[in-house]
Amino acid sequence: SQQGEEDPQALSIQEGENATMNCSYKTSINNLQWYRQNSGRGLVHLILIRSNEREKHSGRLRVTLDTSKKSSSLLITASRAADTASYFCAPYQAGTALIFGKGTTLSVSS
Amino acid sequence: GAVVSQHPSWVICKSGTSVKIECRSLDFQATTMFWYRQFPKQSLMLMATSNEGSKATYEQGVEKDKFLINHASLTLSTLTVTSAHPEDSSFYICSARDYGLPYGEQYFGPGTRLTVT
Repeated sequence: SQQGEEDPQALSIQEGENATMNCSYKTSINNLQWYRQNSGRGLVHLILIRSNEREKHSGRLRVTLDTSKKSSSLLITASRAADTASYFCAPYQAGTALIFGKGTTLSVSS
Repeated sequence: GAVVSQHPSWVICKSGTSVKIECRSLDFQATTMFWYRQFPKQSLMLMATSNEGSKATYEQGVEKDKFLINHASLTLSTLTVTSAHPEDSSFYICSARDYGLPYGEQYFGPGTRLTVT
């Protein structure tokens, strides 16, 4: 298992703005997954991008993956106050558990 | 689909007692379950991995005699914190994976907040 390193650690934006957070990892992966955690809750699976994919969309989420740079980004467009949460990336290698870094704490103010 | 439940959602116990937390996969068979703990404002730390019918594999630094994990069926895993102490107070989150899903997604329970007084 390996953990991803999210950047920035904290991000504050206004409603309607876009939020971009980045993830770096160290070794080859099968896929990379993004999760959201609201305060005091469990994690919610947001999106998964496979190692042979470069970009994926789901609603207001856009994820990119650059395996040559071992990095990924998560873009949330038109942010809402309800998007306020911590976001974690999880590089996945087959058969291993997901390990989580410190995450990016996103605050969206109205 | 892919719902994981935990019970209880919060528990307060006295120092020296044991507490059992249940984790259930409601609509899929969880061949593998994971237990994490999370301290305030910190990330999740993997405690152990369990496969149905097998002994759990604990991460380095996690006392297996203190955190007993049982994964007796494809839908249920339990974590028992034995002889709990205040430093065991934390947020415990279980996660489940169905190897019928090819990409290793993990689905998380809502967490159990344990307070040891």
